[in-house]
Amino acid sequence: SYVLTQPPSVSAAPGKTATITCGGNNIGNKGVHWYQQKSGQAPVLVIYYDIDRPSGIPERFSGSNSGNTATLTISRVEAGDEADYYCQVWDSHVVFGGGTKLTVL
Amino acid sequence: QVQMVASGGGVVQPGRSLRLSCTASGFTLSGYGMHWVRQAPGKGLEWVAVIWYDGNNKYYIDSVKGRFTISRDTSKNTLYLQMSSLRAEDTAVYYCARDATVGVTHDAFDIWGQGTKVTVSS
Repeated sequence: SYVLTQPPSVSAAPGKTATITCGGNNIGNKGVHWYQQKSGQAPVLVIYYDIDRPSGIPERFSGSNSGNTATLTISRVEAGDEADYYCQVWDSHVVFGGGTKLTVL
Repeated sequence: QVQMVASGGGVVQPGRSLRLSCTASGFTLSGYGMHWVRQAPGKGLEWVAVIWYDGNNKYYIDSVKGRFTISRDTSKNTLYLQMSSLRAEDTAVYYCARDATVGVTHDAFDIWGQGTKVTVSS
């Protein structure tokens, strides 16, 4: 079955850039979606189909996908960005990455 | 306002059954692929089941096949997950989620319910 690999944790200081990776075999050939989940809350879609942002998501959130790695980039990190982030693709079924905890220093 | 409200969770003994519900408002279930996703305590997201937008196809992860059934009642605009032969490892918060595009199943999940907690314990 298809496996998505994320780093367990990432940290960034306020105003800096956080980069969260999602590794998978030829993931560049798949559409990748990213979700933000704050403590005790349901996930929220922040990036879909690699690069698109739903309405209401700040432009500070951006995505890319190529080769074996998809990336979520959060520019000018704010305290409110602290959350778990999950990547997701469709293979034979829905697959989620293990999640990355973003800590704002 | 487009939203989904999940309910039906609780504490249940191993081997027993439980039915989860997810009632949609602000949109019509029919036409959208609908999913159940669960999250065990302290763990990541795990997809559980999907019912296609046309209601004709249903798929499950291997660990729940034969035990869980996803369904919908369009007259009540409600999604269900019937869970039977429950095991301790089914303990999780269960979320319902909607495919973002009408008529598309392999899509991002743009709307999520708030989750309902299921605890399987004797």
